[in-house]
Amino acid sequence: NAGVTQTPKFQVLKTGQSMTLQCAQDMNHEYMSWYRQDPGMGLRLIHYSVGAGITDQGEVPNGYNVSRSTTEDFPLRLLSAAPSQTSVYFCASSYTGQGHEQYFGPGTRLTVT
Amino acid sequence: GQSLEQPSEVTAVEGAIVQINCTYQTSGFYGLSWYQQHDGGAPTFLSYNALDGLEETGRFSSFLSRSDSYGYLLLQELQMKDSASYFCAVTGNQGGKLIFGQGTELSVKP
Repeated sequence: NAGVTQTPKFQVLKTGQSMTLQCAQDMNHEYMSWYRQDPGMGLRLIHYSVGAGITDQGEVPNGYNVSRSTTEDFPLRLLSAAPSQTSVYFCASSYTGQGHEQYFGPGTRLTVT
Repeated sequence: GQSLEQPSEVTAVEGAIVQINCTYQTSGFYGLSWYQQHDGGAPTFLSYNALDGLEETGRFSSFLSRSDSYGYLLLQELQMKDSASYFCAVTGNQGGKLIFGQGTELSVKP
């Protein structure tokens, strides 16, 4: 099993550009989520999904879109990048959201200039 | 909403025992989890408590008191490799989403 994979590992964007961060898991997990982590901070939930076709907002959803067309994939779209979105983005998955171990991907380090 | 509080830094010596506390406020509660993160890498799961009491996994133990909205992670026989950030996280009642605290940076000294 590859676990949770994220691409790209690093990305530099200019203000106003859009892009999609990719996340995939091969563990047949129903629950997937996106977090951002800023220096010295905890992980803040952006969006999450409890199954294919179902998504919901987390703590900091503004400026981001998600969709879940398959169980395996959960892409995160930045609509119009801003310097405030410079962060490390982690994708995670688990069997369910309720207490089961969440498996994290290696992260995408995004810089917006 | 949900909020969690944990100390920002803890320092201990190799071989010692350290306790990292976490208090939470949440509109609903399923359980409290703990995660470890080394040097900004991927967080890894340590433990989960849904019921009051102590859960032990090797050198690590986690405790929960639902009535006090409080939990802690206990690390015994500290090793240098335990130097990392430790996060508590709450699963509320809204579709199971997991909300993290800001993390405690543990430094283990020789």
